[in-house]
Amino acid sequence: AQTVTQSQPEMSVQEAETVTLSCTYDTSENNYYLFWYKQPPSRQMILVIRQEAYKQQNATENRFSVNFQKAAKSFSLKISDSQLGDTAMYFCAFMKRNTGNQFYFGTGTSLTVIP
Amino acid sequence: DAGVIQSPRHEVTEMGQEVTLRCKPISGHNSLFWYRQTMMRGLELLIYFNNNVPIDDSGMPEDRFSAKMPNASFSTLKIQPSEPRDSAVYFCASSTFPVDSPLHFGNGTRLTVT
Repeated sequence: AQTVTQSQPEMSVQEAETVTLSCTYDTSENNYYLFWYKQPPSRQMILVIRQEAYKQQNATENRFSVNFQKAAKSFSLKISDSQLGDTAMYFCAFMKRNTGNQFYFGTGTSLTVIP
Repeated sequence: DAGVIQSPRHEVTEMGQEVTLRCKPISGHNSLFWYRQTMMRGLELLIYFNNNVPIDDSGMPEDRFSAKMPNASFSTLKIQPSEPRDSAVYFCASSTFPVDSPLHFGNGTRLTVT
């Protein structure tokens, strides 16, 4: 079974600073995707960024980037120039390819951006 | 694209009552998922459908829970009878299969059972 671990239940960062959220996963699969989802107080789950395991290049989306270390099974999210609107729960997720899109989520990291 | 639509947004009911949660997936998506979110257990997959057929319901906690997908544009999650420990936020999500795609979530239904 796949497991996703987020070891930081809570984090905080000053506005405009950079913060990194950690995620590790355990799998015997070689073909998979990794995602970061954001859940603000509004409760909606919003996709932040995705990474295909077969790609060595780290994904980036504006201020959001990942550090994907396949051998170490690590997938951290870096948020640059943090904004107040980044305050949310962040979930790391793992998806096996071609298996009915089964997703496995971590327990989440609560990020607070301090003005 | 209207996104995944869930109703109701909030539901408060008394123990023993029947509760029905509804979901309309994104048009063209053929995979639908029901998740439950609690502080203690995080996001738990309850059941998912591919092409309206239940594929894996091993996450359904007990026989009081049932889910249906009568057509490609509608699904229900029913709890009968409801219990206080069922209080949680229930999310519906959809995606495409076998094309790899992320999950698109609805806004969730917050269920409170008193």
